[in-house]
Amino acid sequence: AQSVSQHNHHVILSEAASLELGCNYSYGGTVNLFWYVQYPGQHLQLLLKYFSGDPLVKGIKGFEAEFIKSKFSFNLRKPSVQWSDTAEYFCAVTGTGFQKLVFGTGTRLLVSP
Amino acid sequence: DVKVTQSSRYLVKRTGEKVFLECVQDMDHENMFWYRQDPGLGLRLIYFSYDVKMKEKGDIPEGYSVSREKKERFSLILESASTNQTSMYLCASSSSRDNLDEAFFGQGTRLTVV
Repeated sequence: AQSVSQHNHHVILSEAASLELGCNYSYGGTVNLFWYVQYPGQHLQLLLKYFSGDPLVKGIKGFEAEFIKSKFSFNLRKPSVQWSDTAEYFCAVTGTGFQKLVFGTGTRLLVSP
Repeated sequence: DVKVTQSSRYLVKRTGEKVFLECVQDMDHENMFWYRQDPGLGLRLIYFSYDVKMKEKGDIPEGYSVSREKKERFSLILESASTNQTSMYLCASSSSRDNLDEAFFGQGTRLTVV
């Protein structure tokens, strides 16, 4: 079965620190990859997505992610985090034959001012 | 502005009660999903539907059923609520029949079963 692993469950950073959240998936076929964010008290919203083309994708609020097919990875990055980035981040994958969006377990990010 | 609306933000129900969670989307999407979100477990798919009156089991369907009588509405039913069904329930919809597209989420319903 398809699965998504997010190895960092909790991350604590100071403002202006750089961020990298890991995401690995298990599926050998063509995939579409997503990062969603859930700010406290708000609904899940899309941060960025990769369907095809340039493996480095840019999303909202200065986030970016790089798809490395050989490593089955889609790590999320931000050069300098802000207090307002405090949220829970979910990696998700879908692909041909999936019929559904498979999520990782999430990473809670706390950014201290 | 796309919208997925869940009928309740908070619900408290007693063990053994039949519980209905309603979800409506206004984007004319074919696909609709019900997930539950629990700390440390992420989002787990309960049921999904890619057409009216169609339904497919997700990863954790036990204890749940669904109904999709109209394209815009997808209901989750807990036939006999139990305390282990206390959770946050998220409804989502997406437009692609192949489920390759972005999913839009509702605000969630926090259900407590006592």
